Amino acid sequence: DVKVTQSSRYLVKRTGEKVFLECVQDMDHENMFWYRQDPGLGLRLIYFSYDVKMKEKGDIPEGYSVSREKKERFSLILESASTNQTSMYLCASSLIQSGFITDTQYFGPGTRLTVL
Amino acid sequence: KNQVEQSPQSLIILEGKNCTLQCNYTVSPFSNLRWYKQDTGRGPVSLTIMTFSENTKSNGRYTATLDADTKQSSLHITASQLSDSASYICVVSDNNQGGKLIFGQGTELSVKP
Repeated sequence: DVKVTQSSRYLVKRTGEKVFLECVQDMDHENMFWYRQDPGLGLRLIYFSYDVKMKEKGDIPEGYSVSREKKERFSLILESASTNQTSMYLCASSLIQSGFITDTQYFGPGTRLTVL
Repeated sequence: KNQVEQSPQSLIILEGKNCTLQCNYTVSPFSNLRWYKQDTGRGPVSLTIMTFSENTKSNGRYTATLDADTKQSSLHITASQLSDSASYICVVSDNNQGGKLIFGQGTELSVKP
């Protein structure tokens, strides 16, 4: 079974803090994604990566950056957290390697981030 | 306007009853349509996937249908169980954007004993 893990289930940070969210997958998937999920808005793509050290902006990249130094690990960074970044953050991975992919995405359990 | 609209927003049914969730989309052309189930506090899990040429796909008590002409999909749950309580998300793959996934807002289903 594909396993996607995220470093924290719940996180509370203060405005202005730098926040790191870590995601690790164990199935040698090329593609990895970061989404945020808010009530009434569905999942929105923040960033994705289709290879080590490669990254592409999604629909809402402002205020975020990412890092992919190893194939299995994809990090989301909030350089200076703000209250409007309070959300559920979901990481996903998938197999097929091409820009935006069409293969099934496997999701992690999510990190609920609260910024005070 | 969202390209993938789901209805109803929420639904409460009694255990053992059937229900149908709706998904209307404007994404065109699309390569496939998925239904995901998301339990509270967990990440979404894929239930079914259909290409544009398929009309129906089953996964146990879950049956998804697709009408590419009217751009509608439905997810039918038979003999509901308490464990079916979850959010169900319709996801369409947009060929105009290299297969980018477009997510609906989800339908929150609650199955009561």
